Amino acid sequence: QKEVEQDPGPLSVPEGAIVSLNCTYSNSAFQYFMWYRQYSRKGPELLMYTYSSGNKEDGRFTAQVDKSSKYISLFIRDSQPSDSATYLCAMSAPRGSTLGRLYFGRGTQLTVWP
Amino acid sequence: DGGITQSPKYLFRKEGQNVTLSCEQNLNHDAMYWYRQDPGQGLRLIYYSQIVNDFQKGDIAEGYSVSREKKESFPLTVTSAQKNPTAFYLCASSKDGTNTGELFFGEGSRLTVL
Repeated sequence: QKEVEQDPGPLSVPEGAIVSLNCTYSNSAFQYFMWYRQYSRKGPELLMYTYSSGNKEDGRFTAQVDKSSKYISLFIRDSQPSDSATYLCAMSAPRGSTLGRLYFGRGTQLTVWP
Repeated sequence: DGGITQSPKYLFRKEGQNVTLSCEQNLNHDAMYWYRQDPGQGLRLIYYSQIVNDFQKGDIAEGYSVSREKKESFPLTVTSAQKNPTAFYLCASSKDGTNTGELFFGEGSRLTVL
């Protein structure tokens, strides 16, 4: 079983839609949760960073972490064509843990059409 | 501007040849990483280095080698022992190796074996 599971999509939505992207994980030691956005032929860039459980909002983006269910989500409100990219979830455990590195999901490819 | 520079952006190699991908950062980061990205498989960790003159194998180190002689540089050599080297290679760095901070990625190098 992979440490982090993410549906690769592809996901195609009309402009203005609410997008929900999700990842599940198996190890309760993960405490740091991130979402990266990757445009085609580019390197990923950090979009959202959350520590432990709860919600974090940044403009049209909201990251949610439910540690009891081992489930994280990224919501995009009022989606725009410029949001078309691959979204990768990532997570890590504190230093000293046996999981001493960042674990990535496979990425979900999102297309927002006008 | 601070960042990570990868070169070359595109590279073609004949079977049986070794090739070295360059990665340079001017962010004064301690930790550097090499990932491989294949369609539908997300990012897989090849090697990482938390400090100069030290590095560790990731999940798919076979057929690859690295060095970390300078803080700014972390070159990756894809050897002829790598059975399926055609892929998109991403170099990243972080302030330290605790994996609780942001990873900064380069633009990537696309290697094609002919």
